[in-house]
Amino acid sequence: EPEVTQTPSHQVTQMGQEVILRCVPISNHLYFYWYRQILGQKVEFLVSFYNNEISEKSEIFDDQFSVERPDGSNFTLKIRSTKLEDSAMYFCASSGMVYTEAFFGQGTRLTVV
Amino acid sequence: SQQGEEDPQALSIQEGENATMNCSYKTSINNLQWYRQNSGRGLVHLILIRSNEREKHSGRLRVTLDTSKKSSSLLITASRAADTASYFCATDTGRRALTFGSGTRLQVQP
Repeated sequence: EPEVTQTPSHQVTQMGQEVILRCVPISNHLYFYWYRQILGQKVEFLVSFYNNEISEKSEIFDDQFSVERPDGSNFTLKIRSTKLEDSAMYFCASSGMVYTEAFFGQGTRLTVV
Repeated sequence: SQQGEEDPQALSIQEGENATMNCSYKTSINNLQWYRQNSGRGLVHLILIRSNEREKHSGRLRVTLDTSKKSSSLLITASRAADTASYFCATDTGRRALTFGSGTRLQVQP
């Protein structure tokens, strides 16, 4: 069964460093998303991406964040200068069409020290 | 309450019993989705119900949607220990973003 894959599963980084979280969405999907879940809190929407551009973003997704689809398969989230409060589980998701099921990856646990 | 709030927050039942979780939301939706999350793991999509649907079944899962009350319920019948997880409702309001609730932690005792 097709699935969304994320790498790495766990990343530890020093405050102020740049991190890139990687995702391979399901191959025939057109809509891509990043969400995050701070430990013990709700899953929060960060950004959606369609047709090589951001279609929606939340107030969390500030200038420190960027997304890219560098090739036909990868979808990345970059955090330019990490802060302690960026520590969270980051989930990538994809869907085939708008307003349909979103399939999530297993997540990348980001720890900023 | 916020968009997509579940109750109860925690539920403990015996294997074989049914588990019912509720979700309330505030704004109009295109669809409502239920997800399961095992501790520290990814989100697994369970079922999607559209705003023009009232009930949907998938295996041991039954979801209802009442748009007049802005509420949904997830029923898991004949629960198993493997159903132990957190369950989240997520609303799609047409913004190409899902809004998740706080979740219900379900514990099924063997």
